[in-house]
Amino acid sequence: AQKVTQAQTEISVVEKEDVTLDCVYETRDTTYYLFWYKQPPSGELVFLIRRNSFDEQNEISGRYSWNFQKSTSSFNFTITASQVVDSAVYFCALSDIDRGSTLGRLYFGRGTQLTVWP
Amino acid sequence: DAGVIQSPRHEVTEMGQEVTLRCKPISGHNSLFWYRQTMMRGLELLIYFNNNVPIDDSGMPEDRFSAKMPNASFSTLKIQPSEPRDSAVYFCASSLTRHRLNYEQYFGPGTRLTVT
Repeated sequence: AQKVTQAQTEISVVEKEDVTLDCVYETRDTTYYLFWYKQPPSGELVFLIRRNSFDEQNEISGRYSWNFQKSTSSFNFTITASQVVDSAVYFCALSDIDRGSTLGRLYFGRGTQLTVWP
Repeated sequence: DAGVIQSPRHEVTEMGQEVTLRCKPISGHNSLFWYRQTMMRGLELLIYFNNNVPIDDSGMPEDRFSAKMPNASFSTLKIQPSEPRDSAVYFCASSLTRHRLNYEQYFGPGTRLTVT
């Protein structure tokens, strides 16, 4: 069964610290996508990244980086030199092959609340 | 480009009243999703459509909830009659589903529903 686990419910750091948000997933498919979303205090859900299961190359976008390891079924998200504006809830999600009943569906983790203190 | 549009942004209603939430997906997207978010239960998928057809409505809490997608650019989620426990933020999202794989979903700003 498809499942996404974000074991860290809440994380607090001080500005300029690096922080890593963990995501572990389960799927029976070899082809799938992984995603991260950000939900700031204003409430909207913002798409951050999509990763293909065949591409394990790490990705960096500014202060954000993602580490995808199929061997451990993990897709972790690191924020370098965190800032107060990074405070938000971060969701990891999985999408796998359509089996008729799952077409279009993303499986979300419960989210990690990140608080960055000045 | 316009993102997913939802209306109203806020809705306050009394128990027993009918509530209708509206959503316009991103043009060209063929999948549409309705979610509910509460502190207790997190982000829950209520129902989703592909090419205007409901694919899975197993997340709809009960018969008081219904959703329609009459065309590719419009969907509604209706609660009748509403109850205080329906108070939540309701999100609509859309995505492109192609070759049996599901791409990222783009979310609307949400409708904050309060039922008194």
